[in-house]
Amino acid sequence: GAVVSQHPSWVICKSGTSVKIECRSLDFQATTMFWYRQFPKQSLMLMATSNEGSKATYEQGVEKDKFLINHASLTLSTLTVTSAHPEDSSFYICSARVTSTYEQYFGPGTRLTVT
Amino acid sequence: DAKTTQPPSMDCAEGRAANLPCNHSTISGNEYVYWYRQIHSQGPQYIIHGLKNNETNEMASLIITEDRKSSTLILPHATLRDTAVYYCIVRVGGSARQLTFGSGTQLTVLP
Repeated sequence: GAVVSQHPSWVICKSGTSVKIECRSLDFQATTMFWYRQFPKQSLMLMATSNEGSKATYEQGVEKDKFLINHASLTLSTLTVTSAHPEDSSFYICSARVTSTYEQYFGPGTRLTVT
Repeated sequence: DAKTTQPPSMDCAEGRAANLPCNHSTISGNEYVYWYRQIHSQGPQYIIHGLKNNETNEMASLIITEDRKSSTLILPHATLRDTAVYYCIVRVGGSARQLTFGSGTQLTVLP
């Protein structure tokens, strides 16, 4: 149990375009999901906290107008990188928190490359 | 959540036990020690957690010192697939806060 999926697993897009990443909790409900970003040889850095039915909370330094987060249901959160630039190339990982226990489970990650 | 300190890297021979240390000298009484690992280009994977007693599951054992200021994750028979970054995280049990990752320990299992 407690499986989190992400789609796509990797994506290449051109500079200036937008790309959407989906995060789903497959067998549990998640009122809260977290989005992390990881650059090569660095640790995971929290970008934002996504709450079902309300606006996301962004960490300091993360542009909310560039990284749009939608948490429309208890099993799905999406991250849209708008007007992507090469410096947005990174590994994006979502995590879903079980509503009843607060345990966090991680998705497999999405590798974004902006050319 | 309390800060943790881990060595940046360790090597271990395949088939031998891998012992990964973590220092958390400022841990509070209600904080648990969690261990996750991240294999290259994958999401973090939960390994084990504990409060003050030693814990064991099918993946690993967790040894917490009596004063709880440090712990050791033990992989009893390391395989090449255990090569990963291992993160030691301290957090309050049942906390609604997100997991915060430090720099972890890169474990390389050598053939």
